[in-house]
Amino acid sequence: DGGITQSPKYLFRKEGQNVTLSCEQNLNHDAMYWYRQDPGQGLRLIYYSQIVNDFQKGDIAEGYSVSREKKESFPLTVTSAQKNPTAFYLCASSMRVAGEFYEQYFGPGTRLTVT
Amino acid sequence: AQSVTQLGSHVSVSEGALVLLRCNYSSSVPPYLFWYVQYPNQGLQLLLKYTSAATLVKGINGFEAEFKKSETSFHLTKPSAHMSDAAEYFCAVSYRILTGGGNKLTFGTGTQLKVEL
Repeated sequence: DGGITQSPKYLFRKEGQNVTLSCEQNLNHDAMYWYRQDPGQGLRLIYYSQIVNDFQKGDIAEGYSVSREKKESFPLTVTSAQKNPTAFYLCASSMRVAGEFYEQYFGPGTRLTVT
Repeated sequence: AQSVTQLGSHVSVSEGALVLLRCNYSSSVPPYLFWYVQYPNQGLQLLLKYTSAATLVKGINGFEAEFKKSETSFHLTKPSAHMSDAAEYFCAVSYRILTGGGNKLTFGTGTQLKVEL
């Protein structure tokens, strides 16, 4: 079955440690995205990538880093510089249709807790 | 700048009653609009989308939405609520990124739907 996988489902880390969240898709989609979800705030875009070896900052990129070495993979690193990293992180992907990216398809999410 | 407003962070309906979740958008160009549903501790699932074809859009699970340009609205409806519809619903607008190309989604803050017996 085609889809987006995120691992692990739950992740616990100590403050001051970097942590990398995995996102893999086998949909052959060109674009991939990372969002952060906090209660009552909807989804906020962290980073996005529309092509391999290229990515752009979203609205809340500070304290995060990404890479896009392969089309199917877009890992997110939450660094110790992120002031409030505890959140639900969602990865998404999107297919280019006639030059446009329309709907995004989401993975199941990773809940990160930092203490 | 594009934005989405969802009126009512919590909506409660009785099973079998009409579901109406409100979404208003702000966009300087013709928008592409979406409704997503999220069950607890899961990702978002696309319910339906408007991409400038028919203004009345039908989606999965019996949901539909109507694009009304004059009211800048894209409200989500379902004639008869079911217990399994209890979830959080997000409206989103897609817009073209001016630098670098491509599109981005801006999400509303979500509406939690509760279905009571």
